[in-house]
Amino acid sequence: NAGVTQTPKFRVLKTGQSMTLLCAQDMNHEYMYWYRQDPGMGLRLIHYSVGEGTTAKGEVPDGYNVSRLKKQNFLLGLESAAPSQTSVYFCASWGRGRHEQYFGPGTRLTVT
Amino acid sequence: KNQVEQSPQSLIILEGKNCTLQCNYTVSPFSNLRWYKQDTGRGPVSLTIMTFSENTKSNGRYTATLDADTKQSSLHITASQLSDSASYICVVRQTGANNLFFGTGTRLTVIP
Repeated sequence: NAGVTQTPKFRVLKTGQSMTLLCAQDMNHEYMYWYRQDPGMGLRLIHYSVGEGTTAKGEVPDGYNVSRLKKQNFLLGLESAAPSQTSVYFCASWGRGRHEQYFGPGTRLTVT
Repeated sequence: KNQVEQSPQSLIILEGKNCTLQCNYTVSPFSNLRWYKQDTGRGPVSLTIMTFSENTKSNGRYTATLDADTKQSSLHITASQLSDSASYICVVRQTGANNLFFGTGTRLTVIP
């Protein structure tokens, strides 16, 4: 039982490049989330999904897109990376009716 | 505005000493409050979760308290160990919502 995994762990992009971050969970959780964590700020919600095929915007969705084609996977895409998107990205999942939210190990992204 | 504020921002204590971290929130309506521990370079891991009716909950050397009337919580760490060095994040869930409000965390450093 791997829990929540994220790929890749580190990435450096140039401004304007695109990339996709992959989050996978093996706990059959309905809800999945993408957050970003920046120095001096709490985790901020980018997008989330309450089930396969559904997504919704969080607090800071601009510049990002997501897809949840399979229940166990939640993809975060950056179409045209900007230096302001330099951050650590965390994926999390949550089972319906449960209290605990499980986090992945994070992806450190640098945009130059 | 729904907010979660933590104090202090950072704290240094000697190994074996106790400490208390504070969390004040304005999130309403309130569902539950969580304390997470985040080691450097890792995702947050849940320590305790408290609902409206609970005013104290322990997890080993960690004891969380909740005063829902004053909207305050504290996390008390007893007999600190070097491995307690981490960021501690207070998180509040709003009733009916699938997302959470995160504090900016308290960075605890335990020195020998």
